[in-house]
Amino acid sequence: EPEVTQTPSHQVTQMGQEVILRCVPISNHLYFYWYRQILGQKVEFLVSFYNNEISEKSEIFDDQFSVERPDGSNFTLKIRSTKLEDSAMYFCASSAGVREEQYFGPGTRLTVT
Amino acid sequence: GEDVEQSLFLSVREGDSSVINCTYTDSSSTYLYWYKQEPGAGLQLLTYIFSNMDMKQDQRLTVLLNKKDKHLSLRIADTQTGDSAIYFCAESNQGGKLIFGQGTELSVKP
Repeated sequence: EPEVTQTPSHQVTQMGQEVILRCVPISNHLYFYWYRQILGQKVEFLVSFYNNEISEKSEIFDDQFSVERPDGSNFTLKIRSTKLEDSAMYFCASSAGVREEQYFGPGTRLTVT
Repeated sequence: GEDVEQSLFLSVREGDSSVINCTYTDSSSTYLYWYKQEPGAGLQLLTYIFSNMDMKQDQRLTVLLNKKDKHLSLRIADTQTGDSAIYFCAESNQGGKLIFGQGTELSVKP
């Protein structure tokens, strides 16, 4: 069964460093998303992406964040200068259509020290 | 604004039915979802319901939607210890963004 994959499973970085979180969505899906879950809190929407453009982004998704689909398979989230409060589980999701169900990857746990 | 609320904990005995409740605020929601998260794992899509439906049944899972009260519930029949997990309710807007509740931790005792 097709699934969304994410790498790495755990990333530890120092404050101020850049990180890139990687996702491989399901191959025939066209809509891509990033969400995050700070420990003990709700899963929060960050950004949606379609046709090589950001469709919607949340207030959290400020200038420190960017997304890219560098090739036909990967979808990345970059955080330019990490802060302690960026520590969270980051989930990638994809869907076949904007109103279709979203399938989530296993997540990348980001720890900023 | 958009908000989804769930109770935080539910404890049941194996073999009983579990009912997890959720309320939402956005009346323009198109889809409502239930996701399951096991410890250390990602979010697994369990089931979903269109906003123009009242009920959906899928094996042991029954979803009920009361649009007037903006209330969604997930019933798990014959709950097993393997059902122990956190269950998230989520609504989606026209653009596909999911708004999640805080999750209900289901504990199933043998």
